Amino acid sequence: AQSVSQHNHHVILSEAASLELGCNYSYGGTVNLFWYVQYPGQHLQLLLKYFSGDPLVKGIKGFEAEFIKSKFSFNLRKPSVQWSDTAEYFCAVNARKAGGYQKVTFGTGTKLQVIP
Amino acid sequence: EAQVTQNPRYLITVTGKKLTVTCSQNMNHEYMSWYRQDPGLGLRQIYYSMNVEVTDKGDVPEGYKVSRKEKRNFPLILESPSPNQTSLYFCASSFRPAGEYGYTFGSGTRLTVV
Repeated sequence: AQSVSQHNHHVILSEAASLELGCNYSYGGTVNLFWYVQYPGQHLQLLLKYFSGDPLVKGIKGFEAEFIKSKFSFNLRKPSVQWSDTAEYFCAVNARKAGGYQKVTFGTGTKLQVIP
Repeated sequence: EAQVTQNPRYLITVTGKKLTVTCSQNMNHEYMSWYRQDPGLGLRQIYYSMNVEVTDKGDVPEGYKVSRKEKRNFPLILESPSPNQTSLYFCASSFRPAGEYGYTFGSGTRLTVV
C-alpha cells in the first residue's frame, strides 16, 4: 500500500538555523509530490510541488525541496528559518495507478517550532 | 478570491445528534474531498467526489455520509455522531482528481462530540 513517512515529528530550531525535514514515500510508479504548511489555527496551504523536470523545486517563503527518485525522498529545506515559519508541515504524494485511478496520501506531519 | 468555505468553524454537539458540515468552493473544481486530521495520524480521507452525483469512500468513511448535488457544494453529514468523531475536519477541492496538481483547503471545522 502507498505510504508516506515523515520521520521528524517535532523539530525545534533557533532563528537563522537551517532546516531540513525528511519525507519518504513507498510507491514505485508515477508520483506528484507536495509539501503543505499549516500555520497555527489555520488551514493547509500548498508550499511547493514537484511534477517532473528539475528535481530541485522552489516554493514560497524561501522553501525548496529536492526529489531524489532513487531514495523515494522529497525533503524540504530552508537555509535560514524565521519565527514566522513555526507551523506544521505535511508531505503528500499523489500516485497514479493502473486504470487512471489516483490516490493522494499525506504524511503524519512535522511540527516545527522556531525560537526567536 | 478563489476559496473553499467551510461552516461552522467550531461545533460542539452531543452523541447521536445529527449534524452537517457545509463546504462550498468557487473555483469550478470537479474534485472535492473531506479529510479528518488527528494528532499523530495526519490527514485521512473520509469521502471524495469526482463530480456531481459521483462520490466514493476514502480511507475512513464509517459514520459519515456525503452528497454532491451541485458542483460547488459537498456537505459532510454525521447522522449519529460519536465521541470518536471528535476531530478537525477539512474540505478540499482540486482541478484534477486526488489533488494531482495540489489541493485548496477550507479553513477547517473543529468538531467535539460529547
